[in-house]
Formats: sequence, structure tokens, C-alpha cells
Amino acid sequence: GQQLNQSPQSMFIQEGEDVSMNCTSSSIFNTWLWYKQDPGEGPVLLIALYKAGELTSNGRLTAQFGITRKDSFLNISASIPSDVGIYFCAGRGGNKLVFGAGTILRVKS
Amino acid sequence: GAVVSQHPSWVICKSGTSVKIECRSLDFQATTMFWYRQFPKQSLMLMATSNEGSKATYEQGVEKDKFLINHASLTLSTLTVTSAHPEDSSFYICSAPGGPFQETQYFGPGTRLLVL
Repeated sequence: GQQLNQSPQSMFIQEGEDVSMNCTSSSIFNTWLWYKQDPGEGPVLLIALYKAGELTSNGRLTAQFGITRKDSFLNISASIPSDVGIYFCAGRGGNKLVFGAGTILRVKS
Repeated sequence: GAVVSQHPSWVICKSGTSVKIECRSLDFQATTMFWYRQFPKQSLMLMATSNEGSKATYEQGVEKDKFLINHASLTLSTLTVTSAHPEDSSFYICSAPGGPFQETQYFGPGTRLLVL
């Protein structure tokens, strides 16, 4: 099925560093969502974006809904060991979500 | 955020048997729920949309007779994997819409199925 282009595929960073990941699509979406998934668990919603150009923060997380409605980025500032996991972007078209392939984040303490 | 639960969290079964997975919205009602399948190190693949009071809508390539979905009430959807085979082993996750505009989806914790 359709997927978003999410990059990078994986990151291995030093604790305290900032992290940036993004998603792009050839289609327009009305909503962009960012999720984190820990091993053996379901995805947990981090940030929801509803309007083009919207910039939203949740603690150390910041995400933006691209002005073209075809992209979004997620930044994590001052990473900590518990940030490890897989991060997924998802775009909502109609009532279904389209997911990116995920970004695996590893943090070296 | 809205809470979605799944039961069981993991199940092991023999080939040929059927397995039922429950998905419940705990503090809200959901006329629609979604069932996903996830293989190791891969993204989530939508299998079907569960609709309360009507038939589920299946994605292309998903066998409706293999994966039976019943949305029995406004808080419960079930997925039954019929005549399970080893290739059905996977991580199954459900979700329900929520948020101020019903445009976010809240996911259950997932069910790990292993078919021997």
C-alpha cells in the first residue's frame, strides 16, 4: 500500500544531542501525526498537527505541518536514553492513516 | 488521550485453530475501529476498518473469510483469525479515532500471535 517517505531510516546519537526526522508525500494530507513505538507495544501518539504551517511542541518534541501539506518534521531536543524506539509519521487522508516506514532511534549514553 | 485496550496481549496456537482478538475503547465510544498488522521491523499495514452495526471494510489483498471482524458494540471490535497458519504469525494492533476532530487514532497495545 501507499507509504510516506520517512527519513532517516535509523539514527544512533549521543545522549544530549538534538534529533530531526521528516516525512514527505506526493499526496496532500489534512492531518499529520507522529507516533513512538517501543518494542512489543502499540504506537503512542506524540503530536497531532491539523493545519498547514502549524508548529506544535510537546515537551522536548516539536513538529511542524508543512505549508504544502505534503510534509512534516519532528525534532527532539536534548535526547535522553528513554527516547529510544521507532518513530512513525502518519498522514490522514479520508478516515485512514498512511504510515511512514519508521525511524529507529538509538541513544548512546 | 483516549485509551484502547487489546486482549490477549499474546497468544500461541496450533495450525488450523481460530484465534479471537478483542479491541476495546475504554473511556470513549468508537463507531469505527481499525485493525493493523505489523511484521518485525516494518511499518503498520491497515487490514480493515471495523464499522459498528455494519460490515467491515477490508483493504485490498486481505481475505475477509480469513480475518473475520465483528464490531459488536460502540466499545468493542473483535478480529478472528480463522484456520490460522504459521504465516499468520504477526503483531496485530487495533486503533480507534479520537481527539477534538476525530482525526487522530489511538492504538491498543497490540497482540502478538504465534501459530505453530
